[in-house]
Amino acid sequence: EAEVAQSPRYKITEKSQAVAFWCDPISGHATLYWYRQILGQGPELLVQFQDESVVDDSQLPKDRFSAERLKGVDSTLKIQPAELGDSAMYLCASSLAASTNYGYTFGSGTRLTVV
Amino acid sequence: GEDVEQSLFLSVREGDSSVINCTYTDSSSTYLYWYKQEPGAGLQLLTYIFSNMDMKQDQRLTVLLNKKDKHLSLRIADTQTGDSAIYFCAENGGGADGLTFGKGTHLIIQP
Repeated sequence: EAEVAQSPRYKITEKSQAVAFWCDPISGHATLYWYRQILGQGPELLVQFQDESVVDDSQLPKDRFSAERLKGVDSTLKIQPAELGDSAMYLCASSLAASTNYGYTFGSGTRLTVV
Repeated sequence: GEDVEQSLFLSVREGDSSVINCTYTDSSSTYLYWYKQEPGAGLQLLTYIFSNMDMKQDQRLTVLLNKKDKHLSLRIADTQTGDSAIYFCAENGGGADGLTFGKGTHLIIQP
């Protein structure tokens, strides 16, 4: 069964350091999402890509977060500098198309701890 | 803005039915979803329902949608220990945006 791949699985970083997460969506999925899930909360959308273009990054803290999907396939989410409040699970999801009944397939996530 | 509400905890006895409830505010939602999250894992899509339906059944899972009251429920028949997880209700806002999730309901199974 096709999966959304994310790495690393866990990341511990000191505050003020830079950190990056990688996501490889299911082959052929044009839409890619990055979500942040703080402990005890539901996931919240950070950024949405359609192919290589950003569709929605209204909830992305752009002073420190950046996301790219240069070739419209895999994607990288970067935080620089990391803050204590960034500790969370970062989930990547993909779907064939936006606004679809297929749902969104999620990866296993990257758990970030900022110390 | 869009809001999805769920109760935080539900405790049931093994073998009983579990009913997890959700309310949402966005009347333009096209699809509503139920996801399951086990400890330390990502989200697994359990089922979804199109907004013009009022019921969907899939093996042990039954989804009921009351669009007038903006109320969604997930019934799990014959609840097993493997059903212990956090269950998230989500809606897609009727557009091309990502999903809006509730805070999740922790399903606790008593032996």
